[in-house]
Amino acid sequence: GQQVMQIPQYQHVQEGEDFTTYCNSSTTLSNIQWYKQRPGGHPVFLIQLVKSGEVKKQKRLTFQFGEAKKNSSLHITATQTTDVGTYFCAGPRGFGNEKLTFGTGTRLTIIP
Amino acid sequence: SAVISQKPSRDICQRGTSLTIQCQVDSQVTMMFWYRQQPGQSLTLIATANQGSEATYESGFVIDKFPISRPNLTFSTLTVSNMSPEDSSIYLCSVERQTKEYFGPGTRLTVT
Repeated sequence: GQQVMQIPQYQHVQEGEDFTTYCNSSTTLSNIQWYKQRPGGHPVFLIQLVKSGEVKKQKRLTFQFGEAKKNSSLHITATQTTDVGTYFCAGPRGFGNEKLTFGTGTRLTIIP
Repeated sequence: SAVISQKPSRDICQRGTSLTIQCQVDSQVTMMFWYRQQPGQSLTLIATANQGSEATYESGFVIDKFPISRPNLTFSTLTVSNMSPEDSSIYLCSVERQTKEYFGPGTRLTVT
């Protein structure tokens, strides 16, 4: 079945440093979504990318969808303590399928 | 967006007993999803709850263990039956709206 892997599994950074998580799917995706889960919280939708090679920015966050639509990345510039949490990518099981397969997640901790 | 509530928020249960988790959405939705998230892990889809028909279970999950009800378009329940310590987890319901997924706050279950 479809597998969605993320690296790294954990990342510890000093506040102010940059952070990147990479997401790789075993199948081509119609879109990729990113979610953030704060410690003790539930996943919250961040963004959706649809087009091959698409790049979107949200303040210090930059999201990219690969040309082959099988990989994606999330880059945070100048991390802040509010960025702490686990970042998940997720892709639909198939075209027109509402069910998502979530990536393995990257847990980000910030050293003040 | 969607506002989702879950009850209970947490519970500690003895092995062999059952717990029913409730999920309420602020407006009508066609599909509701139930996930399990074990400590430090990603989200695993248990089943999709459809109003007016039987729930659809994912591989590894069966109706006898996780019976689901969906009496109307804003409400669903998930029962964790005959619990064992391996069922200790966070259980989350979610809904899909405009291709985005919105999650409830989760139910943290501990089985002793």
